[in-house]
Amino acid sequence: GQNIDQPTEMTATEGAIVQINCTYQTSGFNGLFWYQQHAGEAPTFLSYNVLDGLEEKGRFSSFLSRSKGYSYLLLKELQMKDSASYLCAVTDSNYQLIWGAGTKLIIKP
Amino acid sequence: ETGVTQTPRHLVMGMTNKKSLKCEQHLGHNAMYWYKQSAKKPLELMFVYNFKEQTENNSVPSRFSPECPNSSHLFLHLHTLQPEDSALYLCASSQEHTGPYNEQFFGPGTRLTVL
Repeated sequence: GQNIDQPTEMTATEGAIVQINCTYQTSGFNGLFWYQQHAGEAPTFLSYNVLDGLEEKGRFSSFLSRSKGYSYLLLKELQMKDSASYLCAVTDSNYQLIWGAGTKLIIKP
Repeated sequence: ETGVTQTPRHLVMGMTNKKSLKCEQHLGHNAMYWYKQSAKKPLELMFVYNFKEQTENNSVPSRFSPECPNSSHLFLHLHTLQPEDSALYLCASSQEHTGPYNEQFFGPGTRLTVL
């Protein structure tokens, strides 16, 4: 079967750095997405990785290793507004998006 | 104007009621999706429409009936639901439902409670 694993919940301190990991086992791979979802709101696109390496976008970076079936989302200079769930999703060989259950990130002052 | 809108935002219904969820996208996309989101579970894809044609139906019970009259509008008709159907129902759209880069744009969801 197809599976995406990410931690259920993480806690970090305002101003710090946090890394949210995602491992996947899918039938084929055509890219990996990270989405952010604030409570009661729509998921919004953060990043897309299809090649190995690090993609940086402001305070957020996303890393991919296809050989390891692994990605992480790195959030720097954490702000209270970063408290949200972070969803990892992989496009498989049939171009279907396979979703993880999300990681709830709690930021403390 | 927001890209993807959904109405109603909250819905409480009894098991014998009939109701409909509405989704509208203003992005000029050709693919639309219904997802079910339950607490601490991955998003469950329910239905996909690509150029108004239903291309996916992931073993969804017949008490959920989708309708896509045009590329901008998507409905989910609900009938004789069960309490376990209580969840957040998300609508999404994308340029098309083909190709590896399939960034989806989501609406805010309808929080459904079945009594």
